[in-house]
Amino acid sequence: SYDLTQPPSVSVSPGQTANITCSADKLGERYVCWYQHKPGQSPVVVIYQDTKRPPGIPARISGSNSGNTATLTISGTQALDEADYYCQVWDSSTVVFGGGTKLTVL
Amino acid sequence: EVLLVESGGGSVQPGGSLRLSCAASGFSFSSFNMNWVRQAPGKGLEWLAYISSTSTTVYYADSVKGRFTISRDNANNSLYLQMKSLRAEDTAVYYCARLTPKVTIGRYIDYWGQGTPVTVSS
Repeated sequence: SYDLTQPPSVSVSPGQTANITCSADKLGERYVCWYQHKPGQSPVVVIYQDTKRPPGIPARISGSNSGNTATLTISGTQALDEADYYCQVWDSSTVVFGGGTKLTVL
Repeated sequence: EVLLVESGGGSVQPGGSLRLSCAASGFSFSSFNMNWVRQAPGKGLEWLAYISSTSTTVYYADSVKGRFTISRDNANNSLYLQMKSLRAEDTAVYYCARLTPKVTIGRYIDYWGQGTPVTVSS
């Protein structure tokens, strides 16, 4: 199985930049999707195909993927960005999620 | 508007069974591959099962293989998850989820239902 590793938590001050990583062997050779998941809500795609934003996702949310690490970057972090974030790849006809990262905006 | 509405969740004793349903609307259901995903309390998202558009192909996570069965009824735009031999660790919110088309590079889940809670407890 293909394992995606995320830090359990990331903390950031309002207005600062948050970087959430997702690591796996040769991850840069695959396409990564990122979901934002808030309590009581369904997950929402914030980045797909490494760098693309769906309609309605602000430009301050961006993604990159190279080598063994994909990164979700949230610039000018706001209180509303506080959520769990999951990376995901498509592997052997199955959906693979990272363990998730809790973003806290202090 | 794409809508996925799950139902059938509830409380069940260990060893019991439950059948979840997902009613799809707003898109050509028969053209899309579908999945079930769950989130246990305090845990992350866990992919459970995949079914192709014509039901030809199904895949399961090891944690549910042999106990859960995914199926669909394209005539009624419905997705199902039959769960048997339920355990306490199956307690979770269960989501119905649509997979992007096969032509999409780096496939991902583009639509999720609101989730239905399942509690396995004596």
